[in-house]
Amino acid sequence: QVQLVESGGGVVQPGRSLRLSCAASGFTFSRYDMHWVRQAPGKGLEWVAVMSYDGSNKYYADSVKGRFTISRDNSKNTVYLQMDSLRVEDTAVYYCVEQREVYWGQGTLVTVSS
Amino acid sequence: DIQMTQSPSSLSASVGDRVTITCRASQGISNYLAWFQQKPGEAPKSLIYAASSLQSGVPSKFSGSGSGTDFTLTISSLQPEDFATYYCQQYKNYPRTFGQGTRVEIK
Repeated sequence: QVQLVESGGGVVQPGRSLRLSCAASGFTFSRYDMHWVRQAPGKGLEWVAVMSYDGSNKYYADSVKGRFTISRDNSKNTVYLQMDSLRVEDTAVYYCVEQREVYWGQGTLVTVSS
Repeated sequence: DIQMTQSPSSLSASVGDRVTITCRASQGISNYLAWFQQKPGEAPKSLIYAASSLQSGVPSKFSGSGSGTDFTLTISSLQPEDFATYYCQQYKNYPRTFGQGTRVEIK
């Protein structure tokens, strides 16, 4: 069965960095675009970034452009989200999502606080 | 960016009620519209894609319609497990954008 398992969340100070990982299994990872979607506490869903199946294309939300970088390693079935210059407003649960948005990870909480 | 506006933001309904949620896009998106259900503490669940196509395993009490800028999600007979928050999302362009959500509560 399809599994998406995020890791790397935690508490970090404003201005610092954090890297999230998402390990995928149960499907041919290298054939699927992968997304990150986040949800601030008590708020709605916000799409963050996507990387195409072969890594050739990336798109970002305006709110994270220039600070976050999505990448993937198809040999490890893993997608990453490098988050730099973190802000308090980046506090959220971050979900890893496969191309069709049918399968979602359980989410990992990132808290940006001094 | 394409803005997605859902209405209402919340609603109270009884078991057995027919419920309709609307979603409006700030520009035409053809049928590149999805609906998600989210329960507290859980990841969102995909219900509908391409505006009206039901995801595998989703009960037929859920239906979607619309094209262009105006869309609806209908739950034909609300059951206790349907009390949740519902989001629309356009995937015509990047950045993908979600509506602000509609919370369906028990009356």
